[in-house]
Amino acid sequence: LAKTTQPISMDSYEGQEVNITCSHNNIATNDYITWYQQFPSQGPRFIIQGYKTKVTNEVASLFIPADRKSSTLSLPRVSLSDTAVYYCLVGDDTDKLIFGTGTRLQVFP
Amino acid sequence: DTEVTQTPKHLVMGMTNKKSLKCEQHMGHRAMYWYKQKAKKPPELMFVYSYEKLSINESVPSRFSPECPNSSLLNLHLHALQPEDSALYLCASSQGTGTGASYEQYFGPGTRLTVT
Repeated sequence: LAKTTQPISMDSYEGQEVNITCSHNNIATNDYITWYQQFPSQGPRFIIQGYKTKVTNEVASLFIPADRKSSTLSLPRVSLSDTAVYYCLVGDDTDKLIFGTGTRLQVFP
Repeated sequence: DTEVTQTPKHLVMGMTNKKSLKCEQHMGHRAMYWYKQKAKKPPELMFVYSYEKLSINESVPSRFSPECPNSSLLNLHLHALQPEDSALYLCASSQGTGTGASYEQYFGPGTRLTVT
């Protein structure tokens, strides 16, 4: 089964930019890459979605290289409230919907 | 209304009990999902309903039985569970019904299930 991998954890300070990568070597040709944020005891919440190159919304940017085998979520200026677990979600080439392993972001004052 | 609601919030059940988890959305979404999430792990897809029909079953044991009575409701019937089934059960919905991650999913807060 293809794995979608992320760094286990990252630390940052308020006001800094944070970049979280996701490796998805077996992404389906036609599928998008979606990122979610999850707080303890809550369901994941949509952050951003993209297919290729760069996508930006009011909270984040998503960078996707041409081969689409990885993606990077960029949070421009993190605050304490951004402390959470971040997951990428892709469909692989067997049509399985797979969450990444998750990255636990800790933001310090 | 962009909310997915789940009841109950917490559930403790014995291995011989029968219980049901409920999920509801009023966004007009045509796809609904059940996920299982163990502590410090990503959600794992269990079932997908598309237009009220079961479209994906990720080889889930038969002690979990999903049901979609109408386009707004999704149930998960539980019977003869094992302690290792204890987890957070998440429901989600999306507008699109295709496979893959192409559609934004809206998640409920989950039901914390403990099997004793």
